[in-house]
Amino acid sequence: QKEVEQNSGPLSVPEGAIASLNCTYSDRGSQSFFWYRQYSGKSPELIMFIYSNGDKEDGRFTAQLNKASQYVSLLIRDSQPSDSATYLCAVNMADYKLSFGAGTTVTVRA
Amino acid sequence: GAVVSQHPSWVICKSGTSVKIECRSLDFQATTMFWYRQFPKQSLMLMATSNEGSKATYEQGVEKDKFLINHASLTLSTLTVTSAHPEDSSFYICSARDSGLAGGFDEQFFGPGTRLTVL
Repeated sequence: QKEVEQNSGPLSVPEGAIASLNCTYSDRGSQSFFWYRQYSGKSPELIMFIYSNGDKEDGRFTAQLNKASQYVSLLIRDSQPSDSATYLCAVNMADYKLSFGAGTTVTVRA
Repeated sequence: GAVVSQHPSWVICKSGTSVKIECRSLDFQATTMFWYRQFPKQSLMLMATSNEGSKATYEQGVEKDKFLINHASLTLSTLTVTSAHPEDSSFYICSARDSGLAGGFDEQFFGPGTRLTVL
């Protein structure tokens, strides 16, 4: 079983819609959860992090964490063409390492 | 703040040569840096953890004699790909953890990446 799994893509949504991305993780001891956005040919950039159960909102992005279910999600509201990218879910491991999921590619149709 | 640079941004070399990639934290100190490799349409694969003043820790399956890592200062780590071959062609990305952050915050700040092409 992979340590971090993300829902398979690609995900295509119309402009203005909500894009929903899901991620599950295997290590119950994980405490920190991150969502990175990666444009083609570029390195990842952090868009959200969450440590506590519940929701965390930052602009059009909302991260949701459920440690009991070992599940973390990212919602992108009012999706824009500029949101088209690959979204990587990352979970902390020992020694400050991060384990990354395979990524979900999102395409926002104008 | 929290800017990480990499140099070069891209490099093309002949098979059998060695290539050095630099990773610098510009506005913070990083006792720990990480080196990743990413092949097309795949996720990031952690290669090694670079620790200032000590030996790097390599992930399983990564040849430490082929990928030499040196972390000589709190702001600089280097990755040298020795005797590079076409299969080493990839996107190499470093990240750094801000040593000054309290509470064991795990956020990693990524460099812009180095695209290596071995002919």
